[in-house]
Amino acid sequence: GAVVSQHPSRVICKSGTSVKIECRSLDFQATTMFWYRQFPKQSLMLMATSNEGSKATYEQGVEKDKFLINHASLTLSTLTVTSAHPEDSSFYICSARVQGDPGNTIYFGEGSWLTVV
Amino acid sequence: AQSVTQLGSHVSVSEGALVLLRCNYSSSVPPYLFWYVQYPNQGLQLLLKYTTGATLVKGINGFEAEFKKSETSFHLTKPSAHMSDAAEYFCAAIHTGRRALTFGSGTRLQVQP
Repeated sequence: GAVVSQHPSRVICKSGTSVKIECRSLDFQATTMFWYRQFPKQSLMLMATSNEGSKATYEQGVEKDKFLINHASLTLSTLTVTSAHPEDSSFYICSARVQGDPGNTIYFGEGSWLTVV
Repeated sequence: AQSVTQLGSHVSVSEGALVLLRCNYSSSVPPYLFWYVQYPNQGLQLLLKYTTGATLVKGINGFEAEFKKSETSFHLTKPSAHMSDAAEYFCAAIHTGRRALTFGSGTRLQVQP
């Protein structure tokens, strides 16, 4: 079946540095990918919609200059957390919509744990 | 506002018992509806979805859900719980005019031996 891969699965970075998380669709093309943030024991909050070849659409309250999203190809979207702070520590999950699927099938990656120290 | 509501943040059942996880949506136009399962420290796995057609949808692992427009509901059921079903379950919707999933708050299912 369709698989979405996220890398890295866990990352620890120092406060003030930047960290990049990759989201790849392995066996399908995805013109649209989504980035979510999940705090412990809470639901998923949509951060932004990543559009291949164009700018991402950010949800209200999400700093676009802090959470940089690039969707350079039909199989890859990246999320860069810039100038990370401890409050950015969270579980980040990407998902990808199967291109051309009228059933709106969306698959999720395994998530990436970010810890900022 | 378009939203998804899951009643009960925690549900505990005995192994072999019926599982019922509740989900309601709020929108004038029925959205596409989904159920996902999340195991600890992992991403989400699609259990089933409703877009159009038959209102009773069968998914993986013996789960099924029924779309009821009159009740704006999409409850998830499984006739007989297994220990391996213990996880977090999320109901989600794609509302008209949106591309992204809107998630409910989640329900943690515990299965007692």
